[in-house]
Amino acid sequence: SAVISQKPSRDICQRGTSLTIQCQVDSQVTMMFWYRQQPGQSLTLIATANQGSEATYESGFVIDKFPISRPNLTFSTLTVSNMSPEDSSIYLCSGYGTGELFFGEGSRLTVL
Amino acid sequence: SQELEQSPQSLIVQEGKNLTINCTSSKTLYGLYWYKQKYGEGLIFLMMLQKGGEEKSHEKITAKLDEKKQQSSLHITASQPSHAGIYLCGADYTDKIIFGKGTRLHILP
Repeated sequence: SAVISQKPSRDICQRGTSLTIQCQVDSQVTMMFWYRQQPGQSLTLIATANQGSEATYESGFVIDKFPISRPNLTFSTLTVSNMSPEDSSIYLCSGYGTGELFFGEGSRLTVL
Repeated sequence: SQELEQSPQSLIVQEGKNLTINCTSSKTLYGLYWYKQKYGEGLIFLMMLQKGGEEKSHEKITAKLDEKKQQSSLHITASQPSHAGIYLCGADYTDKIIFGKGTRLHILP
């Protein structure tokens, strides 16, 4: 099984600023995903992080707001840009490989 | 319309009773994941089903995937307070994995 390290684990940010979340997997995974979990809700897929190319975004999420990078098979970043209080949420990185789906511990963002 | 429907949204069950949670996809799945989450905590992996007709069990929890690979059920036998939480199904469509809206399970003593 893979271990996913995600940081920061939590942060409090000011409106209008941007924050980058990092995700490191200890082994190669086929796919990496970024999810958002708002309080009391399920996981919503933001995008699939593609190695060396642009991420594939789900409906309602755009690259300008959530730029994603994946320079190699074990590392990805998600930036939440120009944050507003509505972006307050838990952001989860996950990796998929050999039929298993692994999750990071999540990054809890609070936007004031 | 939703690709993945999970039902019921909420379930209140007397301790000791059985219960079933369902997850239905509008298209064929490559695989189906079941997770549990306690409030404010991380996701706990329960089971992953990949073959049509597959059934897996762990302790008192059994999950099944239908032959057409579009519907899964999670069944808990003789529920206990430790089963309380939010249950999530995740559908693997090969290019992405999306989750249902979750089922909140409450166990009454």
